[in-house]
Amino acid sequence: EPEVTQTPSHQVTQMGQEVILRCVPISNHLYFYWYRQILGQKVEFLVSFYNNEISEKSEIFDDQFSVERPDGSNFTLKIRSTKLEDSAMYFCASSGDRANQPQHFGDGTRLSIL
Amino acid sequence: QQQVKQSPQSLIVQKGGISIINCAYENTAFDYFPWYQQFPGKGPALLIAIRPDVSEKKEGRFTISFNKSAKQFSLHIMDSQPGDSATYFCAAPLIAGGTSYGKLTFGQGTILTVHP
Repeated sequence: EPEVTQTPSHQVTQMGQEVILRCVPISNHLYFYWYRQILGQKVEFLVSFYNNEISEKSEIFDDQFSVERPDGSNFTLKIRSTKLEDSAMYFCASSGDRANQPQHFGDGTRLSIL
Repeated sequence: QQQVKQSPQSLIVQKGGISIINCAYENTAFDYFPWYQQFPGKGPALLIAIRPDVSEKKEGRFTISFNKSAKQFSLHIMDSQPGDSATYFCAAPLIAGGTSYGKLTFGQGTILTVHP
């Protein structure tokens, strides 16, 4: 069964450094998302991406965050200058040819900021 | 801010019993309600989803019930097994201003423990 893959599984970074989290969505999906989950809390929406542009973003997704689809398969989340509070699990998700179809999630990247 | 309220926070069930998790939402605009199952160290896995034009959907031991007037939906796990022990999240693509790009708002999660 097709799945969303994310790399790396764990990223440790010094505060203030840039980090890029990578995702390969399901191949025929057109809608892409990033969510995060702070330890023990619920999953929170960060951003949605369709047709090569951001379609919606949350208040968490400030100027330090950016997303990109650099080629036909990858979808990345960049945090320019990481803060301690960015430590969380980051999940990529994708859905098919309409926005409101069930989303499929990857296993996430655990981001630890020191 | 749009809310999805999930209860209970944790649930302990004996093997073979029925697990019931409830969610309530505040908005009226939606396209579907998914339930996700999450094991430690893994991402949320889509378990089952229901469209608002049906009141119930069953897949194997898992059933979603939907009460539109009460703005509630629930997950029932019949014949619960130890392997069902996980965290369960309800979610909704709540719409603001008449437009949705698929953003999911999640409930707080329910930690289910099924004792053998």
